Amino acid sequence: DGGITQSPKYLFRKEGQNVTLSCEQNLNHDAMYWYRQDPGQGLRLIYYSQIVNDFQKGDIAEGYSVSREKKESFPLTVTSAQKNPTAFYLCASSSGGRQPQHFGDGTRLSIL
Amino acid sequence: QKEVEQDPGPLSVPEGAIVSLNCTYSNSAFQYFMWYRQYSRKGPELLMYTYSSGNKEDGRFTAQVDKSSKYISLFIRDSQPSDSATYLCAIEGSNYKLTFGKGTLLTVNP
Repeated sequence: DGGITQSPKYLFRKEGQNVTLSCEQNLNHDAMYWYRQDPGQGLRLIYYSQIVNDFQKGDIAEGYSVSREKKESFPLTVTSAQKNPTAFYLCASSSGGRQPQHFGDGTRLSIL
Repeated sequence: QKEVEQDPGPLSVPEGAIVSLNCTYSNSAFQYFMWYRQYSRKGPELLMYTYSSGNKEDGRFTAQVDKSSKYISLFIRDSQPSDSATYLCAIEGSNYKLTFGKGTLLTVNP
């Protein structure tokens, strides 16, 4: 089945540690996105990529980094500079502008 | 004024009721309007997508857009317990980025 796979489902980070969240899609979509969802806050855009080897900062990029070396993959690294990383992280993809985004089932990140 | 404001809820209705979920937006450049449904601990699932003023119907769901009032609605007819979820409106502007409402938690009671 075509879709977006995020892993792991749950992740724990120690102080000072970088962690990487995986996002893979087999929808042949050009654009991919990372959002953060906090209770009562809605979804906020972290980074997005409209094409391989190119990506842009979203509204809350500080403390995060991404890469887009393959069309189907868009990993997100939460660095130790992100002081409040506990949240639900959602990856999405779309076939381009003016097309709706489709989401994975998220990764819940917590601090040990 | 926030770019997208959504009725916060929570909303609790009996099975079979008609549900109305609403969002307002401030930027007249917003052009594309979406509704997503999100079950607990899951990602949002696209329900409706429209870009013009007026109504769009899909089964028990109707999306309504009024660009002159900057107001969008999602109606659910004959609501079912399986409709219990958080509903998110999302609006796309000229820069292809989505702005989301904060979501309305709906509970449909059997």
